Amino acid sequence: AQSVTQLGSHVSVSEGALVLLRCNYSSSVPPYLFWYVQYPNQGLQLLLKYTTGATLVKGINGFEAEFKKSETSFHLTKPSAHMSDAAEYFCAVSEGDKIIFGKGTRLHILP
Amino acid sequence: SAVISQKPSRDICQRGTSLTIQCQVDSQVTMMFWYRQQPGQSLTLIATANQGSEATYESGFVIDKFPISRPNLTFSTLTVSNMSPEDSSIYLCSALTGAGNTIYFGEGSWLTVV
Repeated sequence: AQSVTQLGSHVSVSEGALVLLRCNYSSSVPPYLFWYVQYPNQGLQLLLKYTTGATLVKGINGFEAEFKKSETSFHLTKPSAHMSDAAEYFCAVSEGDKIIFGKGTRLHILP
Repeated sequence: SAVISQKPSRDICQRGTSLTIQCQVDSQVTMMFWYRQQPGQSLTLIATANQGSEATYESGFVIDKFPISRPNLTFSTLTVSNMSPEDSSIYLCSALTGAGNTIYFGEGSWLTVV
């Protein structure tokens, strides 16, 4: 069965600094990979996804993620953090028709 | 993409009662799912809602506690039965679209059992 590991349940960055949220998956076969964001008191919103093709995927709100097969990673980055990026971020991987979620990383933005 | 509407969005329920959550998708989707997100935790898949047949439940979830219906391709319900405070969670409906195997989520139904 697939598993997803997100390193760091909480990450704090200063406003304007680089955001890096780490995600590793367990599959030996490249799966579909996703990042979702959950703002306070809201549901989940798809940030970006990797299915096939270009390994660098651009999403909404300036986020991007790079699929690295050799490292089984799909880390999420944003060059410059904004206060509005404060939220919970979930990495997810497909398993058949289902999606398996990581435990989430709460991103804090420091003024 | 798919727009998913859930209701109720929030409710406070008495212990021992049952509540049905409705989920409506704005387009026909291949699959629908129900997730639970307990306070401060990640999402756990409850079941896959199958059109016209019994839902497929994940380990730890049973039909008597979480009956699910899916009468057509765009609508599903989840009932949380005989609620206890441990059932206080966000319940999220999701749908799988054919394009890129992406799952979209509703805004969630925030249940508090007192």
